[in-house]
Amino acid sequence: EDKVVQSPLSLVVHEGDTVTLNCSYEVTNFRSLLWYKQEKKAPTFLFMLTSSGIEKKSGRLSSILDKKELFSILNITATQTGDSAVYLCAVTGNEKLTFGTGTRLTIIP
Amino acid sequence: GAGVSQSPSNKVTEKGKDVELRCDPISGHTALYWYRQSLGQGLEFLIYFQGNSAPDKSGLPSDRFSAERTGGSVSTLTIQRTQQEDSAVYLCASSLVALGYGEQFFGPGTRLTVL
Repeated sequence: EDKVVQSPLSLVVHEGDTVTLNCSYEVTNFRSLLWYKQEKKAPTFLFMLTSSGIEKKSGRLSSILDKKELFSILNITATQTGDSAVYLCAVTGNEKLTFGTGTRLTIIP
Repeated sequence: GAGVSQSPSNKVTEKGKDVELRCDPISGHTALYWYRQSLGQGLEFLIYFQGNSAPDKSGLPSDRFSAERTGGSVSTLTIQRTQQEDSAVYLCASSLVALGYGEQFFGPGTRLTVL
């Protein structure tokens, strides 16, 4: 059975700090790994990763995939209160998409 | 439309009744996905359509759940004989290309409450 494990489950930091969120996975016929940010109801897409070692970057957010060790990290630098959300990692394989339970990030002003 | 839309936004029903949830994907998106999110839980993948076909229906929680998509556009998720454990937010998403190859855009969700 496909599995995605995210850590930590929750994280509280001060504004301006840098955070690293982790995602490890086991999946049959890996196709891609996706990161989402969920603030209210609907998640919003952050990154899609398919190749090892290639960093994807968007502003203060960046992510990288290690297909040998089966994990990905999401980095957020110079955090802001607007970064407070649940960050979801998902992996696609075969005809399924499996989500982790997410990391709840809280930024204290 | 500009984004994925879902209806109704909220549905309260009595145990044992059937419900139908609707999803309108972004125009031109070939792939459509249904998810369920129970209170405080992660997203649970239910089913995805490529065009009108669902390659794998094993993610549906039970045989009370069914989904269809017609004309490569609108999809409906039907839950028969609802149970209290079906209470959750049901999210739909669509993407331009197939599963795992492109960004998914999510709708606002339907909050289902089974009394």
